[in-house]
Amino acid sequence: LAKTTQPISMDSYEGQEVNITCSHNNIATNDYITWYQQFPSQGPRFIIQGYKTKVTNEVASLFIPADRKSSTLSLPRVSLSDTAVYYCLVGDPGDGGSQGNLIFGKGTKLSVKP
Amino acid sequence: KAGVTQTPRYLIKTRGQQVTLSCSPISGHRSVSWYQQTPGQGLQFLFEYFSETQRNKGNFPGRFSGRQFSNSRSEMNVSTLELGDSALYLCASSPGQIHGYTFGSGTRLTVV
Repeated sequence: LAKTTQPISMDSYEGQEVNITCSHNNIATNDYITWYQQFPSQGPRFIIQGYKTKVTNEVASLFIPADRKSSTLSLPRVSLSDTAVYYCLVGDPGDGGSQGNLIFGKGTKLSVKP
Repeated sequence: KAGVTQTPRYLIKTRGQQVTLSCSPISGHRSVSWYQQTPGQGLQFLFEYFSETQRNKGNFPGRFSGRQFSNSRSEMNVSTLELGDSALYLCASSPGQIHGYTFGSGTRLTVV
């Protein structure tokens, strides 16, 4: 069964770069790693998705090492509006009949201060 | 473009009852998945449907079931409700990618 570990919380200041790492020691080999952002009273919002190496879009970058045992979400120049909870999502490799299951991290609460 | 719509937004049920939650995906999206969110367990995947077929499933008991209709709309049913089923139930849809989902705002279920 896949397990994920994320820091519970992180603090930052406006304009700084923030890196949030999710450790996932045993994930499905053919699934993407995905990150979501969630604000209070809203559903999660898709940020970025990748399989290996580095992926970049207009809001974030995602770094995934070759062994895929972790992934790092990078938010450049955060603002107050980036204060939210960030989740990683990985696929379960399927040992013990759990194939097809998706595993969320417990979430990292990012607080951005002025 | 309308987002993912979940109804109802709030629901109160009594232990032992059953409940059906509804989800209308974004137009053109054929994949719909369901999730449970609680303060203690966080976000947990329930199941995913694609073209009316359950494609993936999480580790929830058989009391939790779902279905998808030909218009991609989906329903989730929970039978014999327990107090621990109180949670925010989220639906998400995608054109076909497994993980690039757009989420709805959820249905808040309270079991008393």
